[in-house]
Amino acid sequence: EAQVTQNPRYLITVTGKKLTVTCSQNMNHEYMSWYRQDPGLGLRQIYYSMNVEVTDKGDVPEGYKVSRKEKRNFPLILESPSPNQTSLYFCASSLLQSGGNTGELFFGEGSRLTVL
Amino acid sequence: DAKTTQPNSMESNEEEPVHLPCNHSTISGTDYIHWYRQLPSQGPEYVIHGLTSNVNNRMASLAIAEDRKSSTLILHRATLRDAAVYYCILRDVAEYGNKLVFGAGTILRVKS
Repeated sequence: EAQVTQNPRYLITVTGKKLTVTCSQNMNHEYMSWYRQDPGLGLRQIYYSMNVEVTDKGDVPEGYKVSRKEKRNFPLILESPSPNQTSLYFCASSLLQSGGNTGELFFGEGSRLTVL
Repeated sequence: DAKTTQPNSMESNEEEPVHLPCNHSTISGTDYIHWYRQLPSQGPEYVIHGLTSNVNNRMASLAIAEDRKSSTLILHRATLRDAAVYYCILRDVAEYGNKLVFGAGTILRVKS
């Protein structure tokens, strides 16, 4: 079954304790991206990757890191989490079509992170 | 990024058609119109997209105005499972690495 898998789905942590949210897709997609969703602010892009070893900032990259060492995985790293990073996080992937345009985005089920 | 404007919420009766409008007056010639929806407690899912011509798929139809400044997502027979937030998004083909900018979307409520 084609899917985007995120782990953990739920996490409560404390300020400053490094954490990683993993994202894996089994569709051989070139494009992967991370979003955060907050009430009243909608979905905002954090980072995206066009292919292995190619990453770039989205709209709200501060406080986050990503890496793309393998095509299927795109982990989101919070080196020193703070309470304002409490949010619902979504990973997404898609094929990359000609001209750099991405096709249909497939989203994971989300990871709800609480930073105390 | 070109922006879209959608009503905050709409209500429909089950088994009736639903027309969800979207205004995008600053759309450029290379912008595709995409629709996603987000069911409660789930990630967004793709619904449909188009450029100039009307489009149909198993989930919905997309009607695009001749001047492309507005579009309408049509759910032919709403069911309770269609209750979700619907997002209208513009995707620029020419923009390398283009990002999806999600607005607030339209909350669709379906009454039985």
